[in-house]
Amino acid sequence: GAGVSQSPRYKVAKRGQDVALRCDPISGHVSLFWYQQALGQGPEFLTYFQNEAQLDKSGLPSDRFFAERPEGSVSTLKIQRTQQEDSAVYLCASSFGVAKNIQYFGAGTRLSVL
Amino acid sequence: QKEVEQNSGPLSVPEGAIASLNCTYSDRGSQSFFWYRQYSGKSPELIMSIYSNGDKEDGRFTAQLNKASQYVSLLIRDSQPSDSATYLCAVRNNAGNMLTFGGGTRLMVKP
Repeated sequence: GAGVSQSPRYKVAKRGQDVALRCDPISGHVSLFWYQQALGQGPEFLTYFQNEAQLDKSGLPSDRFFAERPEGSVSTLKIQRTQQEDSAVYLCASSFGVAKNIQYFGAGTRLSVL
Repeated sequence: QKEVEQNSGPLSVPEGAIASLNCTYSDRGSQSFFWYRQYSGKSPELIMSIYSNGDKEDGRFTAQLNKASQYVSLLIRDSQPSDSATYLCAVRNNAGNMLTFGGGTRLMVKP
């Protein structure tokens, strides 16, 4: 595709619900990243994939957060038993490689947990 | 202390002036530095990347890097109202994967 595509753009969840956020990276991009951006803050790293391998998940805030990229293309970020503090914009980025490669961001999914 | 620090602003400049945005980082081994522009409700968009000490110019934008002082800046010449946005400084770690972002500086260019 022309850019990184994320869906849904907006998600409202009741506290305790599970949610799944989808990211479709730029075609051919090997690396895929998830970031969380709270209101008025910069994005914070959650996790990183190189192809289907999850090489770094050090930023995931709790074991309620889980990400996968089973075929090395589309990725899903799943949040179980959502809490109010999970409310944020979840950004996905992809890059062709790793070293010095530019990360291109999707428009994000705005998650509101009520 | 945050790993990447920016003044949150807002920084207000008149149209046509030079806007100067600053960023400091704590990891002395960082090698790659980026400035992203983010309009409200939109995704971050890359403005400049810089990897070596000195200046890098691209149109109205100049990025400056001083690794000894652990300092990165972005100059915007002839500022336009359309430049009004939040500017995010990002640093890539030594492993070459994730970006660490500052909190962003909100720039307002007044006509």
